[in-house]
Amino acid sequence: QLVLTQSPSASASLGASVKLTCTLSSGHSNNAIAWHQQQPEKGPRYLMKLNSDGSHAKGDGIPDRFSGSSSGAERYLTISSLQSEDEADYYCQTWGSGIRVFGGGTKLTVL
Amino acid sequence: EVQLLESGGGLVQPGGSLRLSCAASGFTFSSYTVCWVRQAPGKGLEWVSSIGDGGSTFYADSVKGRFTISRDNSRNTLYLQMNSLRAEDTAVYYCAKDLESTVKLPNYWGQGTLVAVSS
Repeated sequence: QLVLTQSPSASASLGASVKLTCTLSSGHSNNAIAWHQQQPEKGPRYLMKLNSDGSHAKGDGIPDRFSGSSSGAERYLTISSLQSEDEADYYCQTWGSGIRVFGGGTKLTVL
Repeated sequence: EVQLLESGGGLVQPGGSLRLSCAASGFTFSSYTVCWVRQAPGKGLEWVSSIGDGGSTFYADSVKGRFTISRDNSRNTLYLQMNSLRAEDTAVYYCAKDLESTVKLPNYWGQGTLVAVSS
């Protein structure tokens, strides 16, 4: 069964870096994923597509502060030089056999 | 500029029906898979349904048999017909466009339309 697992919450200080994790279920470690950001009271925003080899392609206008990497079944989103507007929910998403799956989301708090 | 604009949400009684629309612009609508994703109050994102550029359709188990996705390429519009609505269908419904035909990852989202199912 295709499942994406994310930690419910994370926090980091203004100006610091944070690394969020999305874990693919067994048998799906080669899947590409997308990272999406959802700021409070707003719709989701596509950040990037992240492949199993760590290569990634960001969406229009996404700052260089956002980057992605991969290791086995883990997919990471790193945000550097944290800004207040980075406080948001972050979702990973993938697909397989006609269905699409979202992770439960990570709520990032910028201290 | 890619734009997706949802409409048609509102308050409906349990067992009722509603049709959502999503007007697309800024890209060749007929060439892309588009989908609906919903978010219940205080909850995460949940994929609802997708329709390919060739018209193939897919549904989440939670809506199969009750919801129907369709598209009108001449009007650049995506639809979601929702029947037999339940309280648990209450959510903001977003439409989204896929990155490319073989990559089922949305790269543009609408702002959403709220569906409330309540008596």
